[in-house]
Order: sequence, then structure tokens, then C-alpha cells
Amino acid sequence: IAGITQAPTSQILAAGRRMTLRCTQDMRHNAMYWYRQDLGLGLRLIHYSNTAGTTGKGEVPDGYSVSRANTDDFPLTLASAVPSQTSVYFCASSGGEGYTFGSGTRLTVV
Amino acid sequence: ILNVEQSPQSLHVQEGDSTNFTCSFPSSNFYALHWYRWETAKSPEALFVMTLNGDEKKKGRISATLNTKEGYSYLYIKGSQPEDSATYLCASLKNGNTGNQFYFGTGTSLTVIP
Repeated sequence: IAGITQAPTSQILAAGRRMTLRCTQDMRHNAMYWYRQDLGLGLRLIHYSNTAGTTGKGEVPDGYSVSRANTDDFPLTLASAVPSQTSVYFCASSGGEGYTFGSGTRLTVV
Repeated sequence: ILNVEQSPQSLHVQEGDSTNFTCSFPSSNFYALHWYRWETAKSPEALFVMTLNGDEKKKGRISATLNTKEGYSYLYIKGSQPEDSATYLCASLKNGNTGNQFYFGTGTSLTVIP
């Protein structure tokens, strides 16, 4: 692993189902973020974590939850998916050398 | 793997100075380049979306140019103000086998000193 790994790359999900998007980094960055990317709306912050054991809400947190049990992992959970959560999700981390983004998870809720 | 590189990594300028920084990207299968202004723990603010070689876009004191043939974009800030302090992030949108894919640079952190 070099940088940030997101999984899955893409997913089609039935509405009402629970889904966890995985994000793992190997750079020992303290801060991690989840964004959603929607056409015309840019990147919007869902949740963030400044350090292991702490999380915070971003601009669009409703319907999403996160946990940060350790430095490397920052999973994003959709408890009961809805079609408006169809988007591309990016995980990012930041350290002294700047920000690093994962390659994204394309989620379609039908 | 597509590498989007930004330079410099960080920059400190005096209030009133003009400044610029660079985003470099592989030019193959290029679709669009996005510039964002990003304050930590907030959502990045979209500044420009650029698609055509030679594009120049302007928003207030901030402007950007695009060269898709050589794979670079410049962002300029004229007469920097303290409120311009932020990380400026570029992202290249590329056509791939699974559709369009964003590839982000690591950002240029700008600090404007009053």
C-alpha cells in the first residue's frame, strides 16, 4: 500500500441497505476526511477526524457515520442508503507534506 | 497511475504581493482540470473548471491558465490578502475505462502575512 486505499472502487446498492466504505492509509497521518463529489457541487466534507479516537461532522453529515479506532483506518458507513447518496466518495488524509486523496468510490443507490 | 503534482508545497507572501503556483498533470486522456480553494475541515470551494487548451479563467483577483498539450495549469493571485490564506488544490479529470476519474494534487498551502 502506498498512500490511501479505498474500497470498493464502485458499488451498486439497493436503497435501504447498509454499506461501509473503507479507507486505509499507510502514511501515519493524523487527520483524515471523507468527501462526496457531485457534479456542480464540488467536493463536500461529510466527516473528518483530526486524530485517532476523535471525529467531527462536516458540511453534509446526515445519513453517514464514521469511526476512527486507529490511525490508519477511517471507514464511512451509510446506515440505510438512499438514492440521494449516489455520488463519488473520496477519502483524504493530511500530514506535513500536504493532502493525499484516495482514488474514490463510485456509489450508486437504486 | 496518474500523478498530479503541485508546486510549491507551501508559500508565504506579504499582503499585497502577487503570487502564482503550478499544477502539472499527464496530458493523455485529459478531460478537465479543477482548481479548489480549501480551508481545512471545510469543504473545498470550487474556483475554476477548465477544459480547453489555452483557457484562461478569472474570478476577482484570482486567475488560472491551462496548457493541455504540455500538461500544466497556473493559478495566479494578484495583490494577496490575508483571507486568501488557504490550500489551493488542483484535480485532473481523466477519461478512463470505468468512466471519468479524479486525480488530485497534494495542494499548495498559501499563507498571506499581514
